[in-house]
Amino acid sequence: DGGITQSPKYLFRKEGQNVTLSCEQNLNHDAMYWYRQDPGQGLRLIYYSQIVNDFQKGDIAEGYSVSREKKESFPLTVTSAQKNPTAFYLCASSITPTGAYNEQFFGPGTRLTVL
Amino acid sequence: RKEVEQDPGPFNVPEGATVAFNCTYSNSASQSFFWYRQDCRKEPKLLMSVYSSGNEDGRFTAQLNRASQYISLLIRDSKLSDSATYLCVVNGANTGNQFYFGTGTSLTVIP
Repeated sequence: DGGITQSPKYLFRKEGQNVTLSCEQNLNHDAMYWYRQDPGQGLRLIYYSQIVNDFQKGDIAEGYSVSREKKESFPLTVTSAQKNPTAFYLCASSITPTGAYNEQFFGPGTRLTVL
Repeated sequence: RKEVEQDPGPFNVPEGATVAFNCTYSNSASQSFFWYRQDCRKEPKLLMSVYSSGNEDGRFTAQLNRASQYISLLIRDSKLSDSATYLCVVNGANTGNQFYFGTGTSLTVIP
């Protein structure tokens, strides 16, 4: 089955620890994205990547880092510098980075809780 | 001003009713418009792309008004399974296909 997978589904970490969230897609999509969702707020873009070995900051990149070494994979690291990391993290991909009607498709998400 | 604004609701409607959601966007250069559906604690799923001429998919109709910068979603003959949060999404008309999401409109269809 083609799709986007994220792991783990739930993640708990202690304050001050870095943690890496996995995102893999087998849709052969060029572009991948990371969002966070907080209660009562819309999704906010953390980072996006249009092509392998390239990525750009989104609106709320501070305290996060990413890599794009393979087309299929776009892991997100939540560092200890992120002030309020508890949130629902969603990974998405699209066929190409630009163009009208270029829908994004989402993985099932990872719920991160900082204790 | 937010890029995308939606009425958060909640909308509580009986089965079989018709319900409409509106959404306004601030960037007149935006080119792509979508409605996504999000169930509780799940990921958003694409419901419809919104085309300039308007488009229909079964019980769902989406329309775009560029002059007034809003998009709408009409659901006819509501089903219990339509209960969800509906997200209005607009692209930022820049590189990277950055999307801007509304906070969502909550719909509950009541038996």
